[in-house]
Amino acid sequence: GAGVSQSPRYKVAKRGQDVALRCDPISGHVSLFWYQQALGQGPEFLTYFQNEAQLDKSGLPSDRFFAERPEGSVSTLKIQRTQQEDSAVYLCASSLESFMGSGPNNEQFFGPGTRLTVL
Amino acid sequence: AQTVTQSQPEMSVQEAETVTLSCTYDTSESDYYLFWYKQPPSRQMILVIRQEAYKQQNATENRFSVNFQKAAKSFSLKISDSQLGDAAMYFCAYKEYGNKLVFGAGTILRVKS
Repeated sequence: GAGVSQSPRYKVAKRGQDVALRCDPISGHVSLFWYQQALGQGPEFLTYFQNEAQLDKSGLPSDRFFAERPEGSVSTLKIQRTQQEDSAVYLCASSLESFMGSGPNNEQFFGPGTRLTVL
Repeated sequence: AQTVTQSQPEMSVQEAETVTLSCTYDTSESDYYLFWYKQPPSRQMILVIRQEAYKQQNATENRFSVNFQKAAKSFSLKISDSQLGDAAMYFCAYKEYGNKLVFGAGTILRVKS
C-alpha cells in the first residue's frame, strides 16, 4: 500500500493475556518507530529500528514489551501479561532514511494506530 | 531530558479566521528540529510543517506558518483562513539530530461554521 498500515486497528485483551501488534511500513523505508499514546496525551517513543537492527529501545516501559523486525520490513510489538496501564493507542511510523538523516526524506510517516484496551 | 509544553488544551476558531497555537520547549542543544503534526479523529498523524533551528526564517506551508523564537524556545503555529477540515488535535514535536520525536500533550482545535 501507499502508507503505513497497522493491524489490528482495535484489540481488547483480558489482563494477563499476551498481544501482538503488527506494523507494515512504507516499502523501502529504512527506519521504523513505535510510539505509545495514552488517552488525551501526546505519543511517547518506545523503540526504533534501522532495517532489522533495534538501535534504541530506551522507551519500552518494562520487560513485558518486546519488538522485532526480523527481515527489515514488517515489525511486531508484543506485550506479554498485559496490564490495565498498557491500554493506549500504539502508533508505528516509518521514514525513508536512517535515524541520522536530517533532510526532508527523514519525515516520519505514521500509521493509523492500534487501540489496545486491557480489561 | 527535552520537554515540549503545549499550554492550550483546547482552542476554537471561526471558519475563515486565524488562530495561533502555542508551544514551548526546553533544550540545551543548539541544533534541532521542530514540527507541528495534525491528528484528525481517524488518528493518522500528518506532518503540517517543520522548522530547522539553524534557519532564522520562519517556515510557511500555504495557510500554515510558524513563529519560531529560538532564544525564547517558542514555536507557535498560525493557521490562516481556517477551514472545517482543520479541526483536529495538533501536536508540537521536537527532534535532535539523530534522535526520536518528543511530543507535547496536544491542543484540540475546533472550527466553528
